[in-house]
Amino acid sequence: GNSVTQMEGPVTLSEEAFLTINCTYTATGYPSLFWYVQYPGEGLQLLLKATKADDKGSNKGFEATYRKETTSFHLEKGSVQVSDSAVYFCALTAYNQGGKLIFGQGTELSVKP
Amino acid sequence: DTAVSQTPKYLVTQMGNDKSIKCEQNLGHDTMYWYKQDSKKFLKIMFSYNNKELIINETVPNRFSPKSPDKAHLNLHINSLELGDSAVYFCASSQRASNTEAFFGQGTRLTVV
Repeated sequence: GNSVTQMEGPVTLSEEAFLTINCTYTATGYPSLFWYVQYPGEGLQLLLKATKADDKGSNKGFEATYRKETTSFHLEKGSVQVSDSAVYFCALTAYNQGGKLIFGQGTELSVKP
Repeated sequence: DTAVSQTPKYLVTQMGNDKSIKCEQNLGHDTMYWYKQDSKKFLKIMFSYNNKELIINETVPNRFSPKSPDKAHLNLHINSLELGDSAVYFCASSQRASNTEAFFGQGTRLTVV
């Protein structure tokens, strides 16, 4: 079946450090890939998306590239801020699955000043 | 204007009670969902409705019954609440039931005591 695997957290970084959160997936066909962010006490917000191979999604300094050859969608940011502290979820939807999102287990990021 | 809103935000209740969570979206989307987030923050789909029709029911106990009176509303009723039902429940909506991003509500934190 379809699945998403993320690197385990928590990840603790100093402000202005480089961030990478790894995400790999297993899916039949051509899924769409997403990163969602959950700030403390809040719901999920869509951070970025990519719908086909080699697409790069980007938003708020974050970016991720849909790599079909390595079935990966790693999240990166060049310089993190304290306000980026949150839980990040990688997710996919596959064709003919009723729009169901399959999530990775989430990676908690803590950025220290 | 909140795109996906759910009420209540917090719900504390005793075992054996029946409770409902309401959800409304003003995005004009065709598809709505309920997701459950457990204590480890893992997210899993429970139900999906497309144009008021149930299209996904993911092995959820019969005590959980969704109802969609119209495309903009999806409510979740839970009978005979158990301790294990304690979780955060998220409502979400998407434009269609295939390969597209979903927009989430703020969540309802249900605590069963």
